[in-house]
Amino acid sequence: SQQGEEDPQALSIQEGENATMNCSYKTSINNLQWYRQNSGRGLVHLILIRSNEREKHSGRLRVTLDTSKKSSSLLITASRAADTASYFCATDGLTGTASKLTFGTGTRLQVTL
Amino acid sequence: GAGVSQSPRYKVAKRGQDVALRCDPISGHVSLFWYQQALGQGPEFLTYFQNEAQLDKSGLPSDRFFAERPEGSVSTLKIQRTQQEDSAVYLCASSPHSYEQYFGPGTRLTVT
Repeated sequence: SQQGEEDPQALSIQEGENATMNCSYKTSINNLQWYRQNSGRGLVHLILIRSNEREKHSGRLRVTLDTSKKSSSLLITASRAADTASYFCATDGLTGTASKLTFGTGTRLQVTL
Repeated sequence: GAGVSQSPRYKVAKRGQDVALRCDPISGHVSLFWYQQALGQGPEFLTYFQNEAQLDKSGLPSDRFFAERPEGSVSTLKIQRTQQEDSAVYLCASSPHSYEQYFGPGTRLTVT
């Protein structure tokens, strides 16, 4: 079953604008990761944030994590047409196979020229 | 270097047929995962190997699904007596450690 939901389900912006997508999850986590999936391709790892971190940056990406609200956000600044893809958050848990990922439902981002 | 590869990329099977999906992980990666991704959804965990040991198969939807990794490298996911609900993209991922996973392009299975 999916860990949680992402919103919005779909987002359309113009090149140069910022894109923000949110992820909520249900159970306690060890880490939260964001992945990108281009049409017809596999998932590409973007960034990992640990449960004891609140914010992390990588290039044009900024991720926040609020474990009290069980939510995370991904901000892509100065978006480009090449950022068009689906974005998924994924959590790994504290029990069982700690490294198995539980994905959200994804946000489809469309960046237009 | 080469990433994770999967074959075939596309597979059409008639209902009731058996299929075998192959995953070649990145050389040296200890961990290997299989996920199933239905259309418009996020991937869902199927099974996990550490070297040749299958440590978690809790996500396999039925006993028609079987995975192996006999030499701790290449893995095969087999689906027996395919059903229409098995239509999905099957993703393989490998990892040198626990957390960051490297995904293959997936195999799109269509059961008619």
